[in-house]
Amino acid sequence: GEDVEQSLFLSVREGDSSVINCTYTDSSSTYLYWYKQEPGAGLQLLTYIFSNMDMKQDQRLTVLLNKKDKHLSLRIADTQTGDSAIYFCADFYSSASKIIFGSGTRLSIRP
Amino acid sequence: DAGVIQSPRHEVTEMGQEVTLRCKPISGHDYLFWYRQTMMRGLELLIYFNNNVPIDDSGMPEDRFSAKMPNASFSTLKIQPSEPRDSAVYFCASSLSTSLMGYSYNEQFFGPGTRLTVL
Repeated sequence: GEDVEQSLFLSVREGDSSVINCTYTDSSSTYLYWYKQEPGAGLQLLTYIFSNMDMKQDQRLTVLLNKKDKHLSLRIADTQTGDSAIYFCADFYSSASKIIFGSGTRLSIRP
Repeated sequence: DAGVIQSPRHEVTEMGQEVTLRCKPISGHDYLFWYRQTMMRGLELLIYFNNNVPIDDSGMPEDRFSAKMPNASFSTLKIQPSEPRDSAVYFCASSLSTSLMGYSYNEQFFGPGTRLTVL
């Protein structure tokens, strides 16, 4: 079946950039997503990218998509303590109308 | 809109008891999803419905788990009998099938989750 993989942990210093990476297997992806989960809460859509785009920028967030390598990344510039959360990469598996989520990357911020 | 509503927020029960988790999706959404999240297994899709009809229940761990959606505004996930390994956070999410730039687009809205502890 389709799969999405990402590393489990990332630690960065406050003010630095965070880069969270993800790989997926679905060769017919149309949309890929990044969701954010704050402690004690459900997941919330952070941003998405359409598969015919290479890059999408939204304030401090930059999403890069390498469709050839099936690689997605999320860069958070000037990382703040409020960015501490679990970040989920997700692929919209259109043939089944469901989203395949990765395991989530827990981002922690060092002072 | 109030968003996806789940109840209870916390449930503590003893092994062998029946547990019922409830979900009210966002009004007008035609998809409803049940997920389970644990440290060991991450986020797992258990079952999802389209227009109240179960589409894929392949993620339901075993026959002790059942889910229903009697109408567009309510769904339940039942565990009977419950076991300690069922302890997890259970999320309900809903979405509206739509099209963006000519392709199907699906944003899921998650509820706050129910933290289940089975002793």
